[in-house]
Amino acid sequence: AQSVTQPDIHITVSEGASLELRCNYSYGATPYLFWYVQSPGQGLQLLLKYFSGDTLVQGIKGFEAEFKRSQSSFNLRKPSVHWSDAAEYFCAVGAQYGNNDMRFGAGTRLTVKP
Amino acid sequence: EPEVTQTPSHQVTQMGQEVILRCVPISNHLYFYWYRQILGQKVEFLVSFYNNEISEKSEIFDDQFSVERPDGSNFTLKIRSTKLEDSAMYFCASSVEHMGQGGNEQFFGPGTRLTVL
Repeated sequence: AQSVTQPDIHITVSEGASLELRCNYSYGATPYLFWYVQSPGQGLQLLLKYFSGDTLVQGIKGFEAEFKRSQSSFNLRKPSVHWSDAAEYFCAVGAQYGNNDMRFGAGTRLTVKP
Repeated sequence: EPEVTQTPSHQVTQMGQEVILRCVPISNHLYFYWYRQILGQKVEFLVSFYNNEISEKSEIFDDQFSVERPDGSNFTLKIRSTKLEDSAMYFCASSVEHMGQGGNEQFFGPGTRLTVL
């Protein structure tokens, strides 16, 4: 079955600085990849997704992610972080074949310093 | 924009009691899911439901859990006899198609926080 690793539990960046959140997946075929954001006490909001095609995908709120098959990675980036980006970020992987569930990483908590 | 809704937003119950968590998926969606997130931990898949039956379930989804679509709009998760370790945020999700159909996105509700005392 597919799985996801988010190596960074907590990241702190200054407002205006660039951001990269790491995500590594394990799956035998081409995965479906997602990034979700969760603000405190809130549900999960989809930032972006990769199914096929262009490996650089654009999402909402100025986020982008790049699928790198050779590295089994799908890192999330933003060129300039805003204070409102402080939240928990989850990478998730879905299977192209077989099971219909998504497997989530443990999450990365982002703190934004003024 | 259509969205998944869940009620209640917070449920407090005594250990051993039954609870029912309710969800209204997006109306034209055919696949429904429950996930849970224990405080501070990752989101974990519980069960998926299609065509009025369970299509997949995880090892977490034991005999204490059941799901039902009692009418054309609601999708419920029942926990028969709650344990302390059932305390978590429970998310409902729905999708138009199976993940394998072009990676169909799952839309998540806001969650129900279940506290078992």
